[in-house]
Amino acid sequence: DQQVKQNSPSLSVQEGRISILNCDYTNSMFDYFLWYKKYPAEGPTFLISISSIKDKNEDGRFTVFLNKSAKHLSLHIVPSQPGDSAVYFCAASGSGNQFYFGTGTSLTVIP
Amino acid sequence: GAVVSQHPSRVICKSGTSVKIECRSLDFQATTMFWYRQFPKQSLMLMATSNEGSKATYEQGVEKDKFLINHASLTLSTLTVTSAHPEDSSFYICSALPLGFLSPLHFGNGTRLTVT
Repeated sequence: DQQVKQNSPSLSVQEGRISILNCDYTNSMFDYFLWYKKYPAEGPTFLISISSIKDKNEDGRFTVFLNKSAKHLSLHIVPSQPGDSAVYFCAASGSGNQFYFGTGTSLTVIP
Repeated sequence: GAVVSQHPSRVICKSGTSVKIECRSLDFQATTMFWYRQFPKQSLMLMATSNEGSKATYEQGVEKDKFLINHASLTLSTLTVTSAHPEDSSFYICSALPLGFLSPLHFGNGTRLTVT
């Protein structure tokens, strides 16, 4: 059973606009959430994370929002740049060392 | 930042041979490392969790005798694909979890294995 879901397999956004990537989870015990960016033939790169005690974390152009009641998190990228084109994975973790990944959303930023 | 080195990045081997992939955390210690496999246009599939000094925990459907994992130190885990077959051709990625509360996983750059 997929505990972390990314329902949009792909997203296209115009350069300069906002990219919003969404992620849903089912396990209310998750307390740590992360976003990763992945280029083809490379390993994922950690982007930003948020703990369950917060509802927003910002790092430069990247902001992660967490809605615990809805079990939903999102990654906002603004302004979007062509170099942001990649596959984005969300992940969640609870007690213990297990991380659960979504299936990824392929973002294309159109120049 | 935390760096995970995975080696080799690309390997081609003949069917029936074994291949070892190394995963090293260069600037941090990791009691736990994970091994993933990624098929084309698909998500990361967790194969096993490697704990320093103990046996790896394999996910359902992953053959532990085929994919041997050794985590001999806090900075090194190895995955050996034994008696490789063409269907083992894939992109293998390791990740390492630093010690400490709320630490993100850090990934290696992956190994492209092609079995001919």
